[in-house]
Amino acid sequence: EAGVTQFPSHSVIEKGQTVTLRCDPISGHDNLYWYRRVMGKEIKFLLHFVKESKQDESGMPNNRFLAERTGGTYSTLKVQPAELEDSGVYFCASSQDGETLNEKLFFGSGTQLSVL
Amino acid sequence: DQQVKQNSPSLSVQEGRISILNCDYTNSMFDYFLWYKKYPAEGPTFLISISSIKDKNEDGRFTVFLNKSAKHLSLHIVPSQPGDSAVYFCAASGRRGSTLGRLYFGRGTQLTVWP
Repeated sequence: EAGVTQFPSHSVIEKGQTVTLRCDPISGHDNLYWYRRVMGKEIKFLLHFVKESKQDESGMPNNRFLAERTGGTYSTLKVQPAELEDSGVYFCASSQDGETLNEKLFFGSGTQLSVL
Repeated sequence: DQQVKQNSPSLSVQEGRISILNCDYTNSMFDYFLWYKKYPAEGPTFLISISSIKDKNEDGRFTVFLNKSAKHLSLHIVPSQPGDSAVYFCAASGRRGSTLGRLYFGRGTQLTVWP
C-alpha cells in the first residue's frame, strides 16, 4: 500500500513568487492534515480536511496560504506571494475516517521549501 | 507559546546504554502523548504513545513514562542501537473536544548512538 506522497520534495523560489505543494494521502483516508516545521522549531499544525471540507484551519499563518482538497482526494497548499519566513518543511499526514487513535496518523516525507 | 517543550536539542549515547529523552508540556488539557521518530528526508513515524490514565507504557526496547503532576514525560530506549539515531519528537493532543490528528509537537531531540 502506497504511503502519503508529497511533491515536490524540494522547491526553491524567490520572494514574491507563488508555489503550490501537493499531497496525495493514503487511499481511503478521509482525514488530511498539513503541518509545517520552520528550521529548528517545532512541527506546527496548519489545517485539517475531512474529505473536501476544512474541519480546522486555525493554524494557517495568514491569507497568503490557501489549501484545497477538491473531490476529497489529493490536496494542494498554495503560498502566494511567498515570503522569506515561509521557508521550512511542509508535511502532509492522513488518517482513516473515524480513527480515534492518533498513532494512526501517517506522515509524508515533506516538501522542503526555500524562499530566497 | 510553545505548549510542548523538548529542552535538549541533542543527546549522544553509546551503543548498549540507555537513552533518556525528556519532554515537558504546559497545557493541562492534553491527555494523550506520543513519540515520533524521524530520519533525514523522511516524515515522522509513530513510535509509542501513552494515555493520561497510565504512567508507563512499554513496547520492546522503548518505554514512555508520564508524570502528570509534573507535566513531564520521558522516553527510555534500552539498549540503544546505532539504528536509533534520529530526531525524536514529543507530541501531545487533547481528546476532549479537540480535532483528531491535531498534534502539538516539541522541537525535537537529535539522538546519536555511537558504537
